[in-house]
Amino acid sequence: GAVVSQHPSRVICKSGTSVKIECRSLDFQATTMFWYRQFPKQSLMLMATSNEGSKATYEQGVEKDKFLINHASLTLSTLTVTSAHPEDSSFYICSASFPGSGSLNSGNTIYFGEGSWLTVV
Amino acid sequence: GQNIDQPTEMTATEGAIVQINCTYQTSGFNGLFWYQQHAGEAPTFLSYNVLDGLEEKGRFSSFLSRSKGYSYLLLKELQMKDSASYLCAVRDNTDKLIFGTGTRLQVFP
Repeated sequence: GAVVSQHPSRVICKSGTSVKIECRSLDFQATTMFWYRQFPKQSLMLMATSNEGSKATYEQGVEKDKFLINHASLTLSTLTVTSAHPEDSSFYICSASFPGSGSLNSGNTIYFGEGSWLTVV
Repeated sequence: GQNIDQPTEMTATEGAIVQINCTYQTSGFNGLFWYQQHAGEAPTFLSYNVLDGLEEKGRFSSFLSRSKGYSYLLLKELQMKDSASYLCAVRDNTDKLIFGTGTRLQVFP
């Protein structure tokens, strides 16, 4: 079953409104989660690192006031797209590392959510 | 800066072998990952290399040379269902997973 759950899987919102996407780690605590965005026919682009109990770290070129990230608990991170515009329409996906994944054989311990399709009309 | 390059598209025939290359320049290195992604879905883990050499897992193998900043994913006995995007990703020294440009593979009968 899913180790990281993301909700909603699809959302349509009107231009100018805000939409929240949730990312939950199931049965494990994730002090760090990552948010990615993927446009059609492109690869995953890292947007920000979500840190439990502290401010998110944003990648260069990502507007922190537009993409609000809250990591209020050890199992939940949320991404809120504020004042959404059609160009924000994209596939948003989160990931979390399973605890203790710093060893050499820890390749298969980064888990992705199912992803969320956002369409802004 | 971070730079991870892959060919944009590749085509191959069912039953054949295909090699997808990945070159990288990143801020530190803490492992290289290969993922398969079908359109509209989350990436699926294929392989992980942190030491130089070849890792084999069934029809899929992945090779790493850290000194050259180079990896490849080898797919054998190609099947139609292997048509997908293949993503190379490097975990840097801050634990971020940085993805390459991705390679869209199309397998023809």
